[in-house]
Amino acid sequence: AQKITQTQPGMFVQEKEAVTLDCTYDTSDPSYGLFWYKQPSSGEMIFLIYQGSYDQQNATEGRYSLNFQKARKSANLVISASQLGDSAMYFCAMREGPNSGGSNYKLTFGKGTLLTVNP
Amino acid sequence: EPEVTQTPSHQVTQMGQEVILRCVPISNHLYFYWYRQILGQKVEFLVSFYNNEISEKSEIFDDQFSVERPDGSNFTLKIRSTKLEDSAMYFCASRRRTSGGAPQATDTQYFGPGTRLTVL
Repeated sequence: AQKITQTQPGMFVQEKEAVTLDCTYDTSDPSYGLFWYKQPSSGEMIFLIYQGSYDQQNATEGRYSLNFQKARKSANLVISASQLGDSAMYFCAMREGPNSGGSNYKLTFGKGTLLTVNP
Repeated sequence: EPEVTQTPSHQVTQMGQEVILRCVPISNHLYFYWYRQILGQKVEFLVSFYNNEISEKSEIFDDQFSVERPDGSNFTLKIRSTKLEDSAMYFCASRRRTSGGAPQATDTQYFGPGTRLTVL
C-alpha cells in the first residue's frame, strides 16, 4: 500500500488565485511528520512547510498553509495568491517515528503534483 | 542561510565505470541521507548515515553502493560499477535534530540541488 498518495498528477490555477494540492497518508505510528517540497524545472528540492502529528494548529508559512485533517489522514497544501513562479512539481512526504522501524526518519515521498500557474 | 551543496551538478559516465557523488551537508547537522529520483518518478530513499556509519539502507542500496564521510564536511556516495538503470538525479539531504521524542520542525531534511547522473 502507498504510504503517501497524491491523486492529482497535474493542476492548473490562474495567477492570484488559491490552489489546494491533495495529500493523504497511511501510517499506524502516532508520531510522524509531514512535509511539502517544491521541485521547479531546474530540479532542486525546496522545503516549503512542515506539520507534526501532535501539532494542534495547521502549519502556515507565508503563502503556504497546510490543511491537516488527522482523522482523515490528509495533509493538503494550500497556496494562496498563486504566482507564475509557483509553477513546479510539488511533493508530499512523511517521516515516521521510531515505532515504525528505524530511528532515522527517512522520508517517504508521494508521486507529486505538477502545478501550472496561468497568467 | 546555510545550505546543502552537491558536486558535480551533472555527471556523464560509461556503464561499468565508478562514480563518486559529493555533498557538503549543513555544518551543524547530524543525520545525512542520499535519495534518488529516476526521471519523472518519485524520490526514493537510498541510505541514511549517522555517527559515521550507515544507520539504514533501502533495498536499492546494494553492494555496488557505498557512502563515506571522509572528513568533517564531505559526505560521498560511490557507485562502483554503474548500470544504465542508475541514471537518475541523486539528492543529498541533512537534518539537525537527534531522533526520539515528539516530531518537531527541526526534523526537516534540507536537500542539496542534486547531481544528475547519466550512464551511457
